[in-house]
Amino acid sequence: EPEVTQTPSHQVTQMGQEVILRCVPISNHLYFYWYRQILGQKVEFLVSFYNNEISEKSEIFDDQFSVERPDGSNFTLKIRSTKLEDSAMYFCASSGELAGGNEQFFGPGTRLTVL
Amino acid sequence: AQTVTQSQPEMSVQEAETVTLSCTYDTSESDYYLFWYKQPPSRQMILVIRQEAYKQQNATENRFSVNFQKAAKSFSLKISDSQLGDAAMYFCAYRSGWSYGGSQGNLIFGKGTKLSVKP
Repeated sequence: EPEVTQTPSHQVTQMGQEVILRCVPISNHLYFYWYRQILGQKVEFLVSFYNNEISEKSEIFDDQFSVERPDGSNFTLKIRSTKLEDSAMYFCASSGELAGGNEQFFGPGTRLTVL
Repeated sequence: AQTVTQSQPEMSVQEAETVTLSCTYDTSESDYYLFWYKQPPSRQMILVIRQEAYKQQNATENRFSVNFQKAAKSFSLKISDSQLGDAAMYFCAYRSGWSYGGSQGNLIFGKGTKLSVKP
């Protein structure tokens, strides 16, 4: 069964460093998302991406964040200068057809720890 | 802005018994979708069940069913014949039915309910 994959599973970085979180969405999906979950808190939307551009972004998604689909398979989230408060679980998701109820399939997440 | 509220931080159920997890939401939209996601200790989010707001019939998936009360903006999840593998965090989520400019609409999550299943 197709699935969303994410690498790495755990990333440890120093404050101020740049990190790139990678996702491989399901191959025929067109819509891509990043969410984050700070430990013990709810899952929060960061950004959605369609047709090689950002469709929506939350207020969390400031200038420190960027997303890219560098090739036909990968979808990346870059944090330019990490802060302690960026420590969280980051989930990538993808969905297929343009239908409001269409399921978003989530990856297993990347745990980011900023020291 | 839409909000999702889960008022039960933790719930516990005996194996083989039934448990109901509560969720309320606030929206001014008439077209939307509601979801329950399960997040086991592995942390991967798994869709449990989905409800379209325009459907009056409550969704059912095997042992999982919902009680969707549109007027009350309530969307509870009932788990029947609970199993040890049901132990997880359960998140209620809302998604607008309005799609524009290619946007699929993001999911808005509640804070979650941690379900424990006792053998």
